[in-house]
Amino acid sequence: GAGVSQTPSNKVTEKGKYVELRCDPISGHTALYWYRQSLGQGPEFLIYFQGTGAADDSGLPNDRFFAVRPEGSVSTLKIQRTERGDSAVYLCASSLNRAPSYEQYFGPGTRLTVT
Amino acid sequence: AQRVTQPEKLLSVFKGAPVELKCNYSYSGSPELFWYVQYSRQRLQLLLRHISRESIKGFTADLNKGETSFHLKKPFAQEEDSAMYYCALKRDSSASKIIFGSGTRLSIRP
Repeated sequence: GAGVSQTPSNKVTEKGKYVELRCDPISGHTALYWYRQSLGQGPEFLIYFQGTGAADDSGLPNDRFFAVRPEGSVSTLKIQRTERGDSAVYLCASSLNRAPSYEQYFGPGTRLTVT
Repeated sequence: AQRVTQPEKLLSVFKGAPVELKCNYSYSGSPELFWYVQYSRQRLQLLLRHISRESIKGFTADLNKGETSFHLKKPFAQEEDSAMYYCALKRDSSASKIIFGSGTRLSIRP
């Protein structure tokens, strides 16, 4: 079946602009995660949704970052007043989040470049 | 604090040689450990987890709680093993947050 999809695959924006990154999880997966991967680093957790609610947003770096999942499926990561340090690959993952399988399946990522 | 350390950014070995990718972690509890792999132009995917105690594509990893290590090993490297490998941990199997190491690029020379 279809895996996690993310759009756009690449996004170039100017410093100070607003961007939205979209994630379509695997159908039926109730849990959705966002990670950020900076150059030369491993993915870093940002936020986790269980259904429509953000169950853990402890990884969001500051209040410029916000994510929503209004219908419990598609999620949008929103970044306001982008800064050059926001440049990274943003990964989305989804899972069933119930025993025995909590495996997270990753999307291809969105490469964000802030100029 | 939870941390995963992969000391090697790049590991280059000849085809047929043994491979060992090092991983050390710091966590006070009993975490679940994983290896993820990302092949060129493909998405990040789970390779193996310590609780499964299985061999995947010839790779194995043993959790050593005394040394807080979870090294990935393969006795005979193949060219198709070339990829980025990330060691990772979760607080427990149901935890949401995965903590990743910085990754090791494995390059297999023909």
